[in-house]
Amino acid sequence: GAVVSQHPSRVICKSGTSVKIECRSLDFQATTMFWYRQFPKQSLMLMATSNEGSKATYEQGVEKDKFLINHASLTLSTLTVTSAHPEDSSFYICSARSRGSTDTQYFGPGTRLTVL
Amino acid sequence: GEDVEQSLFLSVREGDSSVINCTYTDSSSTYLYWYKQEPGAGLQLLTYIFSNMDMKQDQRLTVLLNKKDKHLSLRIADTQTGDSAIYFCAESFTRDDKIIFGKGTRLHILP
Repeated sequence: GAVVSQHPSRVICKSGTSVKIECRSLDFQATTMFWYRQFPKQSLMLMATSNEGSKATYEQGVEKDKFLINHASLTLSTLTVTSAHPEDSSFYICSARSRGSTDTQYFGPGTRLTVL
Repeated sequence: GEDVEQSLFLSVREGDSSVINCTYTDSSSTYLYWYKQEPGAGLQLLTYIFSNMDMKQDQRLTVLLNKKDKHLSLRIADTQTGDSAIYFCAESFTRDDKIIFGKGTRLHILP
């Protein structure tokens, strides 16, 4: 099946710093990528949908200035958590959907962010 | 509104069948999914069912849908230790639409 990678898998940062998380589709072109956030024992919450070459669409309640999403190519999307605070600590998961298809979303392995 | 509910834990003995249940509220949902998440890993789509179906079988997996009651279940036959994971029920209106996930059911396999 299609492979989606995320980097880093774990990151610890100090409060007030910014952290960038990468999501790559390794063997297919992804016109659409999704960013989710997962709290312990909670569901995945969709944060935003990004289409290659255009601005991301954020879900209600998600601060677009805090969670910057860039989808500059068909294989890479980045999520930058700006001025991170401890409450931003979470598991961030991306998914990608292949080009020209309404196929399923392929999920990355997730990135564990801990803000001290 | 959109809501997907499922129990948080299930313990099953190895070799027995596991049945994970889910209820959803959005009657317009067309696609219903089951995802598996192993520790430290992303989500893997196990199977999905269209709302006009009532059953789908794929090897050890059987999905049952009761659309009237908005109830979805996943049965895993001959449960193995490798089936230990969190199973997420999810729904969407179309395949292009956003996916609404439940909180996940942690399946624990007893020896």
